[in-house]
Amino acid sequence: QQQVKQSPQSLIVQKGGISIINCAYENTAFDYFPWYQQFPGKGPALLIAIRPDVSEKKEGRFTISFNKSAKQFSLHIMDSQPGDSATYFCAAATTGTASKLTFGTGTRLQVTL
Amino acid sequence: DSGVTQTPKHLITATGQRVTLRCSPRSGDLSVYWYQQSLDQGLQFLIQYYNGEERAKGNILERFSAQQFPDLHSELNLSSLELGDSALYFCASSAFGHSGNTIYFGEGSWLTVV
Repeated sequence: QQQVKQSPQSLIVQKGGISIINCAYENTAFDYFPWYQQFPGKGPALLIAIRPDVSEKKEGRFTISFNKSAKQFSLHIMDSQPGDSATYFCAAATTGTASKLTFGTGTRLQVTL
Repeated sequence: DSGVTQTPKHLITATGQRVTLRCSPRSGDLSVYWYQQSLDQGLQFLIQYYNGEERAKGNILERFSAQQFPDLHSELNLSSLELGDSALYFCASSAFGHSGNTIYFGEGSWLTVV
């Protein structure tokens, strides 16, 4: 059962444009929603994360928008740069003594010049 | 550099064999996680240890086992290997075991089963 659905699978954006990646979840017990960035040959690295008590979180050019009622969250990359070209994964987890991340299927972003 | 160290980086082995993947977590991190990344299954959680004890189990096959040692390093043992086990295996660590703690990933161990 895929608990976190991510779209699109791939995305091409021009330099300076806005990249938008969407995720939807099913498990209402999820209460931690991180986004990870992965470059080829590297492990995923935490980019930004949000909890459901806020609707938006911004860190530099990266913004998470969260809609609890729709069970959806999205990553916006403003002023996209070629160095942002990577695979982005959304994830979700539940609070508790055990913690595991359930990942989306990933979005391969290419930022062109 | 996340501070999570995995060895070996690449491994080629034959079907039916057994391999051990090793992970050293970030200094001070008590929790270790193992994930499998493949083209068709994406990033799948396998197992989590916290201070030497198993804390959560995911889609880990019975042929696979893991442990966390007193010095907090962890090993993932894969036995009776099949072609479908070829994947990138990530170890990750966090300070504690509960969600909200940043989970740091290593660079992975590429396993190819031939």
